[in-house]
Amino acid sequence: EAGVTQSPRYAVLQEGQAVSFWCDPISGHDTLYWYQQPRDQGPQLLVYFRDEAVIDNSQLPSDRFSAVRPKGTNSTLKIQSAKQGDTATYLCASSQGVGTEVFFGKGTRLTVV
Amino acid sequence: SQLAEENLWALSVHEGESVTVNCSYKTSITALQWYRQKSGEGPAQLILIRSNEREKRNGRLRATLDTSSQSSSLSITATRCEDTAVYFCATDQGGRALIFGTGTTVSVSP
Repeated sequence: EAGVTQSPRYAVLQEGQAVSFWCDPISGHDTLYWYQQPRDQGPQLLVYFRDEAVIDNSQLPSDRFSAVRPKGTNSTLKIQSAKQGDTATYLCASSQGVGTEVFFGKGTRLTVV
Repeated sequence: SQLAEENLWALSVHEGESVTVNCSYKTSITALQWYRQKSGEGPAQLILIRSNEREKRNGRLRATLDTSSQSSSLSITATRCEDTAVYFCATDQGGRALIFGTGTTVSVSP
């Protein structure tokens, strides 16, 4: 069974640039999460979806971050006008509903200089 | 402040020894999950322990949960070098996404 796939694996940007991250969850998983993991910290939830609907985006900096999952399968997280404070690993994960095991991708390591 | 946190930043043991990672949390939970994250990888679930359970085992791993003190522990026996990783507890508050702690780095040396 294929796991959660993310691309790219690494990205280096200058402040002010935009970047998009792509995620392909495990087939059949209706719930998809995006977490931000700063260096030496635990994953911090940004947003999660059930199918195509956003369930919780309260921690997503809405002025510069956006996330979509238009067909309830793949998802894209976009950062407009990146800041140095956005430097972190961005993890996508999926599960068969909340409260079940969550499967993570390898993440995208973003560096903003 | 963190809703869940592991109590120590880092632990170091030799192969074959046992190690215990502790976690405390601040909210009512329906379950608690332990995850392990190796360098360059995403976290992977080790154990899920529900609020009505006191102990759960998975091979060399043993998790305990004390809802009265809002704490949990993960013990690893007969450690191996490949157990070197960051260990996270993650709380499930029911119907919401997991909230992760800050993590404890466990280093196992030969």
